[in-house]
Amino acid sequence: GAGVSQSPSNKVTEKGKDVELRCDPISGHTALYWYRQSLGQGLEFLIYFQGNSAPDKSGLPSDRFSAERTGGSVSTLTIQRTQQEDSAVYLCASSPIARTGQPQHFGDGTRLSIL
Amino acid sequence: DQQVKQNSPSLSVQEGRISILNCDYTNSMFDYFLWYKKYPAEGPTFLISISSIKDKNEDGRFTVFLNKSAKHLSLHIVPSQPGDSAVYFCAATYSGGGADGLTFGKGTHLIIQP
Repeated sequence: GAGVSQSPSNKVTEKGKDVELRCDPISGHTALYWYRQSLGQGLEFLIYFQGNSAPDKSGLPSDRFSAERTGGSVSTLTIQRTQQEDSAVYLCASSPIARTGQPQHFGDGTRLSIL
Repeated sequence: DQQVKQNSPSLSVQEGRISILNCDYTNSMFDYFLWYKKYPAEGPTFLISISSIKDKNEDGRFTVFLNKSAKHLSLHIVPSQPGDSAVYFCAATYSGGGADGLTFGKGTHLIIQP
């Protein structure tokens, strides 16, 4: 079956522009996660959804970041007024439910470069 | 403050020998640990996990050991194969953590030499 799909795979944009990243989870997976990996760093957890609900948004780096999920499926991560420090690989993962012990299945990420 | 630490950025091992990747953590609330493998330009792939109620979990060539008193875990790969060359991430989480997001280390780049 299809895995987690992310688009675009690469995005180059100018500082100050808004960007929207998309994640299509594995069919039937109710839990969806966003992470980012900056150069030379581990993955940093940003936010998760159980269904369409995001119980905790405290992991988002600033109020320029927002995420939504509709229909319990596709999610978008939006970064407004991008800054150079937003350059990173943004990874999405999904799991059948949001529960400790459920391995998360990752997409290949969106490589975001802010000029 | 890094809660999950992988102190070896890289490790080189001869094909057929044992690879041992180490991971330390500081948050005593962590009770579930996972290892992921990542190839360039791909997302991480789940390898193996262990709950804090165990001290060992084995799956084929992969074994994870957990030492709770030392807050240390390790991943053993034996025998090592060329396809094992990748970056390995240690990750941790805890029951009732709310967000249920994983806390990752920075990774260890494993290189299997022919």
